[in-house]
Amino acid sequence: EAQVTQNPRYLITVTGKKLTVTCSQNMNHEYMSWYRQDPGLGLRQIYYSMNVEVTDKGDVPEGYKVSRKEKRNFPLILESPSPNQTSLYFCASTAGGRYNEQFFGPGTRLTVL
Amino acid sequence: SQQGEEDPQALSIQEGENATMNCSYKTSINNLQWYRQNSGRGLVHLILIRSNEREKHSGRLRVTLDTSKKSSSLLITASRAADTASYFCATGPGGTSYGKLTFGQGTILTVHP
Repeated sequence: EAQVTQNPRYLITVTGKKLTVTCSQNMNHEYMSWYRQDPGLGLRQIYYSMNVEVTDKGDVPEGYKVSRKEKRNFPLILESPSPNQTSLYFCASTAGGRYNEQFFGPGTRLTVL
Repeated sequence: SQQGEEDPQALSIQEGENATMNCSYKTSINNLQWYRQNSGRGLVHLILIRSNEREKHSGRLRVTLDTSKKSSSLLITASRAADTASYFCATGPGGTSYGKLTFGQGTILTVHP
């Protein structure tokens, strides 16, 4: 089954404790993205990747890091999480080309205390 | 700031009625997409319309695009209770940023049985 998986689905942590949210897709897609969703603000893109070792900032990259060492994986790293990073996070992937839909993971609900 | 702005923010209708949601955007695009999100879950792609298209249909969905007004509308005909969800428009920019999508804040649709 074609899918995007994220882990963990729920995470409660404390300020400053480094964490990684994993994302994996099995569709051999070139493009992957991370979004955060906050009430009243919709989805905002954090980072995206056009291919292995190629990444670029989205609209709200501050406080986040990403890496793309393999085509299928695109982890999101919070080196020193803060309470304002409490949010619902989504990973998505899409095939190459301009006119392709994005496939979303199920989401990771992060709470930073 | 968000590229897409949706209107209305919330819409409540009876089963069988039509639902219309609007999306406006600010900069040039090469495509506009609509997504659906059931509460707290990942987004699901509904339909994509290219910048050189004016109207597109998919089942009970009809999307229009007016690039001169920088606006789009999503019409769901003969709505069902199962259509209750949040609906988001997302714009793909011109140029080569294929992986970059900018989402609106969404319209919450409630369909009463």
